[in-house]
Amino acid sequence: NAGVTQTPKFRILKIGQSMTLQCAQDMNHNYMYWYRQDPGMGLKLIYYSVGAGITDKGEVPNGYNVSRSTTEYFPLRLELAAPSQTSVYFCASSYPARNEQFFGPGTRLTVL
Amino acid sequence: GNSVTQMEGPVTLSEEAFLTINCTYTATGYPSLFWYVQYPGEGLQLLLKATKADDKGSNKGFEATYRKETTSFHLEKGSVQVSDSAVYFCALSQETSGSRLTFGEGTQLTVNP
Repeated sequence: NAGVTQTPKFRILKIGQSMTLQCAQDMNHNYMYWYRQDPGMGLKLIYYSVGAGITDKGEVPNGYNVSRSTTEYFPLRLELAAPSQTSVYFCASSYPARNEQFFGPGTRLTVL
Repeated sequence: GNSVTQMEGPVTLSEEAFLTINCTYTATGYPSLFWYVQYPGEGLQLLLKATKADDKGSNKGFEATYRKETTSFHLEKGSVQVSDSAVYFCALSQETSGSRLTFGEGTQLTVNP
């Protein structure tokens, strides 16, 4: 199993551009999550999903959108990128009620 | 809402020293508690967990005990190695919130030979 995979690994955007961060998991996990990690800080939840077609906001959803059309994929969309969105983004997945989350390697995004 | 507070870092130790990283939490009900570790340039990995009061999680020589009376989940290791150098995150989750994790701010550990 590949586990949780994320693409791209690095990206530089200009202010106002948009992009989609890709996340896939091959463990048939129902739950998936997007976090951002700012330097010297813990992770903050952006959006999460408890199954295909179901998504909900986390702590810091502004400026982002998500969709979940299948169990495997959970892309994160940035519209009108801003410097405040410079961060490392992690995708994670888990079984319901199992609690342990499995993390991808992250995407380092810089907005200039 | 839920919150997790970790001791401030960074922490620098010599090899074979004793490690304690403090973690306290605020939550309603009975959350599950976790320690995650992040090695340089990598994603987070689960180090250990405890799902109910007085449970002790352990892995790779690390231990933490779920103390409901003090709302704490301190991480300990008797003898650290250089390879333990990483960032350690305390976290909690509750099934009622989609098993969302609430993280502490992380503690950077550096172990010198």
